[in-house]
Amino acid sequence: GENVEQHPSTLSVQEGDSAVIKCTYSDSASNYFPWYKQELGKRPQLIIDIRSNVGEKKDQRIAVTLNKTAKHFSLHITETQPEDSAVYFCAASEENNDMRFGAGTRLTVKP
Amino acid sequence: DTEVTQTPKHLVMGMTNKKSLKCEQHMGHRAMYWYKQKAKKPPELMFVYSYEKLSINESVPSRFSPECPNSSLLNLHLHALQPEDSALYLCASSQNTLNTEAFFGQGTRLTVV
Repeated sequence: GENVEQHPSTLSVQEGDSAVIKCTYSDSASNYFPWYKQELGKRPQLIIDIRSNVGEKKDQRIAVTLNKTAKHFSLHITETQPEDSAVYFCAASEENNDMRFGAGTRLTVKP
Repeated sequence: DTEVTQTPKHLVMGMTNKKSLKCEQHMGHRAMYWYKQKAKKPPELMFVYSYEKLSINESVPSRFSPECPNSSLLNLHLHALQPEDSALYLCASSQNTLNTEAFFGQGTRLTVV
């Protein structure tokens, strides 16, 4: 089955700086790569996703890049704000919805 | 309505009890999931239902028994659980089987004593 690795496990940045989280996946058949944000005690919520036929996607301060050849994808958050502090999970899945999560990155944005 | 609703929010059960977790969505989604999440860990896939049929069972012990009575409801029946089964159980749904956004419920925090 799919194996997703995520780095770093913790990330601390100053407000206004950028944050980058990286993931690699093992199954070349995976074609959907969502990123979820989970605040303490809350449900995971999708913040951005990308499909294998696209190399980059941007939504305001958030962008995701995908390198299919290298089987890695990254989340970029620019102009970070304290409310961006949360745990971020990458995930990968094939056609059959078997979405598997990376281990998570705890992002702390210091005011 | 973009909500996935799970009940109960909290559940404490003994190792000999039988209980059920419930999940409901009214978004017309045809894929529904159960995930288990331990503290400071990612959600782990347990089961996937597509069009009310079980399509993925991640070698979950038989003390967990999923059921999908209709396209809006998903249950997880629990019997003879162990203390290590204590976790947050998350239900999710997505539009279809072609990898679209999964919406998560708030979860049921289960404690097995």
